[in-house]
Amino acid sequence: GAGVSQSPSNKVTEKGKDVELRCDPISGHTALYWYRQRLGQGLEFLIYFQGNSAPDKSGLPSDRFSAERTGESVSTLTIQRTQQEDSAVYLCASSPRRGGGETQYFGPGTRLLVL
Amino acid sequence: GESVGLHLPTLSVQEGDNSIINCAYSNSASDYFIWYKQESGKGPQFIIDIRSNMDKRQGQRVTVLLNKTVKHLSLQIAATQPGDSAVYFCAETHSNDYKLSFGAGTTVTVRA
Repeated sequence: GAGVSQSPSNKVTEKGKDVELRCDPISGHTALYWYRQRLGQGLEFLIYFQGNSAPDKSGLPSDRFSAERTGESVSTLTIQRTQQEDSAVYLCASSPRRGGGETQYFGPGTRLLVL
Repeated sequence: GESVGLHLPTLSVQEGDNSIINCAYSNSASDYFIWYKQESGKGPQFIIDIRSNMDKRQGQRVTVLLNKTVKHLSLQIAATQPGDSAVYFCAETHSNDYKLSFGAGTTVTVRA
């Protein structure tokens, strides 16, 4: 079956512009995660969605970052007034249930470059 | 705070040799561990996992070892192939949690 998909695969933007990144999780997966990966580093947790529960936004680095999810499907991560330090790969992952102690399946990521 | 780390940032291996990638974790409450492989330009791909009630688990050409006493995790790759060249991450979590904590990763390069 189809895995996690993300779009766009690459995004180049100018400092100060807003960007929107999209994630389509695996069908039937109720848990969805966003991560940021800076060059040569590990994954930094951003936000977690589980069903209709309130999302865990504890990893969002500033109020310029926000994310939404429609039901148990598509999610969008929005970065407003982008800064050069926002340049990174943004990864989305999904998992079947609440996510406790189970594998997360990752998409290919969106590579964001802020000039 | 708690963190998961890897002992070595890079590993160069001769094709056909066995590879061992190490990981130290500091959260003694973690009871579920995962190894991911990330090839250039791709997202992390699940390789193998292990729960804390086990100390060894084998997959196809890969073995994960868990030593809870010293909080150490390792990934062994048998007969390393060029396609094994990638960054390898260990990740930890607790079965009551949903967040994964990742280390910085080990870059494995396979020499022909």
